[in-house]
Amino acid sequence: AQSVTQPDIHITVSEGASLELRCNYSYGATPYLFWYVQSPGQGLQLLLKYFSGDTLVQGIKGFEAEFKRSQSSFNLRKPSVHWSDAAEYFCAVAGTSGTYKYIFGTGTRLKVLA
Amino acid sequence: GAGVSQSPSNKVTEKGKDVELRCDPISGHTALYWYRQSLGQGLEFLIYFQGNSAPDKSGLPSDRFSAERTGGSVSTLTIQRTQQEDSAVYLCASSLRNTGELFFGEGSRLTVL
Repeated sequence: AQSVTQPDIHITVSEGASLELRCNYSYGATPYLFWYVQSPGQGLQLLLKYFSGDTLVQGIKGFEAEFKRSQSSFNLRKPSVHWSDAAEYFCAVAGTSGTYKYIFGTGTRLKVLA
Repeated sequence: GAGVSQSPSNKVTEKGKDVELRCDPISGHTALYWYRQSLGQGLEFLIYFQGNSAPDKSGLPSDRFSAERTGGSVSTLTIQRTQQEDSAVYLCASSLRNTGELFFGEGSRLTVL
């Protein structure tokens, strides 16, 4: 079955520290991969996406993610976290051949300590 | 409009009542999605509209849920005879094509007492 796993429900980091949020997926083929962020009281916003090509993708707000086919992973990273990064982060997958049901993980809630 | 607009932003209703949630997608976006976000859960797919094609209703949890999209634009999600387990945030998203960036509204928070 197709699924997305975000093993960390909550993560707390200090401002300025590095961050890595984990995402693993189960899919029949390499899907399109996404990370979305949901800030308090706001809608989900796309951080970055992977369709093909370079497996290290850059996104907005200084985030990057690396696609590792052998591990079926698409982990999100940021070298130095800012207090404004506190939010919930969702990993998602979608099919590349007309399968449009985006499948979302359960999210990771990030807390940033001053 | 500039983004996906959803209304109402908050709805409190009594068990057994019907509710309608509205989504106005970004102009020109042919694909429209409804998701449900419950506390501690991911986004649960409900229904998908693409142009004039028949919608994919496979995610609707029961026959109390229905949705329509008029004129390829505005969509309404209707929940009949609401139950307490229907309490959640209902998110609408639109996109230009099947797979690409989803643009989300801020959601409609439904509370069933």
